Amino acid sequence: EAGVVQSPRYKIIEKKQPVAFWCNPISGHNTLYWYRQNLGQGPELLIRYENEEAVDDSQLPKDRFSAERLKGVDSTLKIQPAELGDSAVYLCASSPSAGAYEQYFGPGTRLTVT
Amino acid sequence: GENVEQHPSTLSVQEGDSAVIKCTYSDSASNYFPWYKQELGKRPQLIIDIRSNVGEKKDQRIAVTLNKTAKHFSLHITETQPEDSAVYFCARNSGYSTLTFGKGTMLLVSP
Repeated sequence: EAGVVQSPRYKIIEKKQPVAFWCNPISGHNTLYWYRQNLGQGPELLIRYENEEAVDDSQLPKDRFSAERLKGVDSTLKIQPAELGDSAVYLCASSPSAGAYEQYFGPGTRLTVT
Repeated sequence: GENVEQHPSTLSVQEGDSAVIKCTYSDSASNYFPWYKQELGKRPQLIIDIRSNVGEKKDQRIAVTLNKTAKHFSLHITETQPEDSAVYFCARNSGYSTLTFGKGTMLLVSP
C-alpha cells in the first residue's frame, strides 16, 4: 500500500511569491490534515478535512493561506504571498475516517522563503 | 488547544540502556495518546499508541504507560539500539481527531 505522497519535497522562493503544496492521501482515507512543523518543534495543525469539507481550519492564517480538497481525495495548500516566517516543513497526514485516531504522515515539503 | 509538555528535550543513553520520555497534559477529555518517531529529514512515523481505557501497551522493545488520573503518559524503550536515535513526539487528541503534539525529545543512542 502506498503511503501519503507529497510534492514538491523542497521549495525555495522569495518573499511575496506564491507557493503551492500537493498531497495525495492513502487510498480510501477520508480524513486529511495539513500541519506545519517549525524547526525543533512538533507539528501544528493548519486544517482538517473530512472528505471535501474543511471541518477545522481555526489555525489556518486565512489572510494568506488557502486549501482545497475538491473531490475529497487530493488536496492543495497555497500560500500567497509568502513571508519569511513561513519557512517550515509542511506535512500532510491522512486517517481512514473521522472516528479513527491514527494518522499517517507524508514526507513533507520543506519550504524556504528568502 | 492546550499544550502537551514533553520531557526531556534531549536524552543520551548507551546502547543497551533503557530510555524513558514523559508527557503531561491538562485536557481531561483526551482519550488517545500516540507516539511518533521522526528521523532527520523523514516523516513522523506512528510507533505506538494508547487509548484511555488501558494503562499500558507493549510492542516488542517499546511500551507506553498512561496515568489518566495524573494526566501523564510515558514512552519506554528497552535495550536501546543506535537505530533508535531520532526525535520522538508525544501527542494527545484534542477536540475530535485533531492531535496536539509535544515539542519532541531528541534521543541519542551511543554504540
